[in-house]
Amino acid sequence: SAVISQKPSRDICQRGTSLTIQCQVDSQVTMMFWYRQQPGQSLTLIATANQGSEATYESGFVIDKFPISRPNLTFSTLTVSNMSPEDSSIYLCRIFDGVDTDTQYFGPGTRLTVL
Amino acid sequence: QKEVEQNSGPLSVPEGAIASLNCTYSDRGSQSFFWYRQYSGKSPELIMFIYSNGDKEDGRFTAQLNKASQYVSLLIRDSQPSDSATYLCAVNKDAGGTSYGKLTFGQGTILTVHP
Repeated sequence: SAVISQKPSRDICQRGTSLTIQCQVDSQVTMMFWYRQQPGQSLTLIATANQGSEATYESGFVIDKFPISRPNLTFSTLTVSNMSPEDSSIYLCRIFDGVDTDTQYFGPGTRLTVL
Repeated sequence: QKEVEQNSGPLSVPEGAIASLNCTYSDRGSQSFFWYRQYSGKSPELIMFIYSNGDKEDGRFTAQLNKASQYVSLLIRDSQPSDSATYLCAVNKDAGGTSYGKLTFGQGTILTVHP
C-alpha cells in the first residue's frame, strides 16, 4: 500500500493568516483529493487536485480561499487562506490510483486550529 | 435530504454479537459504495466496497446493497471491542466522467462494542 505523509500534522494559526498543507505520496498516483473534517462532522470534499492543471472545486469552495497545487503525481499542496475560526478543522488528502478500488487511502491529516 | 444518510448512533453491541450499520443515499444513479472505519484521532481506512446488488463478504464483514431501495449496510459478525470506531458510508455517484473517484460521505455511525 502507498505511504502518505502530510505536513504539518497540526498547527495553531492566527485569524487572517494562511497555512499551506503538504501531501506527499511514496508512489505516483492518478487522483488526489482534499477533504475537510470539522469537529464531530463527516468528511467534505474540497477539491480534486489535477496534475498539471487547475484543481476542480466542489460547490461552496473557491480557489481564492483554498488554492491547490499539484506539480507532479506524488505531491500536492492545499493552502487555507485568510483564515477564520470557522476554518478550524482536520484537512486530509486522499489518493486513488484510478484503477484498483482497493488502492485508495487517506493521509494522516492536518489538524488546524484558528484563533 | 442529505446525499448520504447514516444513523449517528451511538450503536452499542455486546462482544460477539452482530453489529448492523445502515446507510441510505439519494442519488439513484450512484454506482459504487464504500465503508470506512475511523478510529478516534485517526484518518479513515477502507474496509469494503460493493458495486452490485446483494451481499459481499470479507472475513467478519458483510456489505449488503439494495439499489432499488437505495440502501447499503455493513454487518460485523463476532464483534470485538477493537471494532469500536466510527463507520463511514461513502458513495461514488458516477463510475466515469467528472465524478470518477470522488466520494460523498455520510456523517458516520459510532459503534461501541462492550465486553
